[in-house]
Amino acid sequence: AQTVTQSQPEMSVQEAETVTLSCTYDTSESDYYLFWYKQPPSRQMILVIRQEAYKQQNATENRFSVNFQKAAKSFSLKISDSQLGDAAMYFCAFSDANRDDKIIFGKGTRLHILP
Amino acid sequence: NAGVTQTPKFQVLKTGQSMTLQCAQDMNHEYMSWYRQDPGMGLRLIHYSVGAGITDQGEVPNGYNVSRSTTEDFPLRLLSAAPSQTSVYFCASSYTSRGNYEQYFGPGTRLTVT
Repeated sequence: AQTVTQSQPEMSVQEAETVTLSCTYDTSESDYYLFWYKQPPSRQMILVIRQEAYKQQNATENRFSVNFQKAAKSFSLKISDSQLGDAAMYFCAFSDANRDDKIIFGKGTRLHILP
Repeated sequence: NAGVTQTPKFQVLKTGQSMTLQCAQDMNHEYMSWYRQDPGMGLRLIHYSVGAGITDQGEVPNGYNVSRSTTEDFPLRLLSAAPSQTSVYFCASSYTSRGNYEQYFGPGTRLTVT
């Protein structure tokens, strides 16, 4: 069974600095997708970025980028130039590319931005 | 599109009472799921459905029932509420669970069981 692990329950970063959130996963599949979601205090879940496992190039969305290491089964999220609005819970998620199965979420990392 | 809607937004139940949390989506999504979110526990999957008529258990299914008679609706039933079910409940949907599709979440239901 697939699992997703976020080993950092909480992190803090100074405003304008860069922070990296870790995510590791376990699967026997070779074709899958990975996601990062953000949950601000409003509780509304927002998709931040996604990555196809068959693509070697790391996904980037403005200040958000990932470091996808398929062999190591690692999918970290880098936030550059951190802003106060980035304070939120961040969840890593996994979906299988070929089977109708559940989408797996990690336990989340709470990110604090220090002014 | 209304997206994913959940009702009610807040609910207080007494131990032993039953109730149904409603979830609906108007995006013709195949995949729907229910999560509960507790402090320090992240999102825990309760039940999910990959299409109308098909449901399956997630990580924490005990005490909850679901059905999926239509593509649009995926209600979550609490059979006999317990204080341990006090939580925030989220419903989510996506076009399919296979692939590169965003999950859309409802606004959540805060449930308190006394």
